[in-house]
Amino acid sequence: LAKTTQPISMDSYEGQEVNITCSHNNIATNDYITWYQQFPSQGPRFIIQGYKTKVTNEVASLFIPADRKSSTLSLPRVSLSDTAVYYCLVGDILYTGTSGTYKYIFGTGTRLKVLA
Amino acid sequence: DTEVTQTPKHLVMGMTNKKSLKCEQHMGHRAMYWYKQKAKKPPELMFVYSYEKLSINESVPSRFSPECPNSSLLNLHLHALQPEDSALYLCASSQVVRGQPSSTDTQYFGPGTRLTVL
Repeated sequence: LAKTTQPISMDSYEGQEVNITCSHNNIATNDYITWYQQFPSQGPRFIIQGYKTKVTNEVASLFIPADRKSSTLSLPRVSLSDTAVYYCLVGDILYTGTSGTYKYIFGTGTRLKVLA
Repeated sequence: DTEVTQTPKHLVMGMTNKKSLKCEQHMGHRAMYWYKQKAKKPPELMFVYSYEKLSINESVPSRFSPECPNSSLLNLHLHALQPEDSALYLCASSQVVRGQPSSTDTQYFGPGTRLTVL
């Protein structure tokens, strides 16, 4: 199972760009990289997913180098409401027969605190 | 619609009670999941259902009994719980992954049920 390593916590100020890097040295060829955001007492919310190079959506960008052993979640111009825990997840699909389900192992995540 | 709903939002029960948590999704997903999350800890996988059949049980005590009555519903039956079982219980769903995963195979989580065992 692919494991991920992230900084435990980060502080930033409103309006700044925040980059959170995740290390996943044993990522498998078929693994996607997925990031989730979680607020206290809520379920994790999907932010972005990618396989290689750069992916951008309306809330974030995901940068993945050619060797795919790390990835960086970029949050542009954060606000106080972006204070949350951010989880990086990699692959971990258990196949039974021809189909599979996720067997995500959540790491510690990164606690982002945005300051005014 | 990318919503997973869970009821109740909060549940307080004694150690001798029997209660059930419910989860529902209408995204056509055929994989559904139960997670347990303690305060300031990451979610921990408990059970996975694929096509309404239990495919993963992460060595969860028998006082937790999952059930998937149809493709949209997932229940977690609780009996004789301990105070240390107090946690946020999360339900999630996803497409069943066929062959190589694609960007549409992500998991969607519900808001959770906050369980307190007295």
